[in-house]
Parts: sequence; C-alpha cells; structure tokens
Amino acid sequence: SAVISQKPSRDICQRGTSLTIQCQVDSQVTMMFWYRQQPGQSLTLIATANQGSEATYESGFVIDKFPISRPNLTFSTLTVSNMSPEDSSIYLCSVLGDRGSTGELFFGEGSRLTVL
Amino acid sequence: GENVEQHPSTLSVQEGDSAVIKCTYSDSASNYFPWYKQELGKRPQLIIDIRSNVGEKKDQRIAVTLNKTAKHFSLHITETQPEDSAVYFCAASWQAGTALIFGKGTTLSVSS
Repeated sequence: SAVISQKPSRDICQRGTSLTIQCQVDSQVTMMFWYRQQPGQSLTLIATANQGSEATYESGFVIDKFPISRPNLTFSTLTVSNMSPEDSSIYLCSVLGDRGSTGELFFGEGSRLTVL
Repeated sequence: GENVEQHPSTLSVQEGDSAVIKCTYSDSASNYFPWYKQELGKRPQLIIDIRSNVGEKKDQRIAVTLNKTAKHFSLHITETQPEDSAVYFCAASWQAGTALIFGKGTTLSVSS
C-alpha cells in the first residue's frame, strides 16, 4: 500500500488567483498521477508526473493552467492557475502501490477547491 | 485514447438483492480492469480487479466478469447490504502500472 498526504485538504479561493496543491508519498514512486473530480462526477486524469521529466498532460489540460512539479520520488505539486469557478473541484493525487506491480492506484484524500 | 462507458448511473436495490454494473471500453489494447468504491466524502478505494487473461474473478460477495471480444466487463454484488451504498467506478488501462481511465460512476443505494 501507499500512504499519501495532500495539502491543503480544502480551500476557498478568489477568481484569478492560483493555488498549489502538495502531495507527499511515504515511499519512492516513479509515476504520480493527478486527477480532478468535479462535484458528483467521475475522476478525470489531468496528467502523469514522472520524476526527472516533464509531466504528460491529457487532452483538455495544459501546462500553463496546471503546472506540475516533481522534484523527487516522494513529492509532487499541482498548481491551478488563474482560477475560475469552473475549477471548483476535488483534486486527487494518486500513485501505484507495490512499485506498480499490481496496478492498484492509491489516492490521497483530495484537495477540495472552491473558487468564488 | 481509451474511453470507458458505465451503466447505469444510479441503481437502487433492496437489501439482499443482487446488483450489476456494466462497463464497456474502446481500446482493444486495454488489459487491466479495476473497480473502485467511493463512499461519500472519501477517497476511491479498489475493491476488485481483473486482467485480460481471466474471464471471471470472485471475492466473497463481489465478482467481476470480462468479455474481451465484446469489450465489456461487469461488477456483480450479491446479497447487498446497506454498507454497499456508495459510488462505484469502473476503469481501464492498457497495462497494470499505468494511469487509469474511469467510467462516469454508478451510485448504488441499498435500502433495508
């Protein structure tokens, strides 16, 4: 298993500002994944963050809006830039357990952002 | 890219009944199919998964079946209990160890 800590757990933000979400894992992992879950919706993959290389973004998500850092094998950040009310969501960090051998994804508790 | 369709979006059953949730996927290269349960206000957690070399897998009251030819897989919950009430997500990936693409979710309500 993997223990994932995310900060902040929730925040209320003003339109036009940016917020950085931190994700800390209790073990070294190669890949970290960032998902977004809008209210009452499914989990949508934003990007895959590998240590030592630029993040890979899914269709509909761009680096200017969601810059990601991956400075080491246990930590990543996701920034939501120039926020609008449409960015109000839960943002979840996730990693593969057992070094990816089983395929099971473990999720952090999520960061609930409300943009006014 | 992969696209996962999930039905139904909501499902209400009586305690003790069975519940079935179905998913279809688009990418024939996908070969890993997990199911996640998300209780209100909590993170998603894996409940069962299946790989493409297996047709069916059971774990107590939960089973998953896979039809690779038709590109669909299903979650079966027998003898449902109120604590089974949650949102269930199916997902697919082209191999275990890569990002998952999720279905839209099914809200299961079990009434006693």
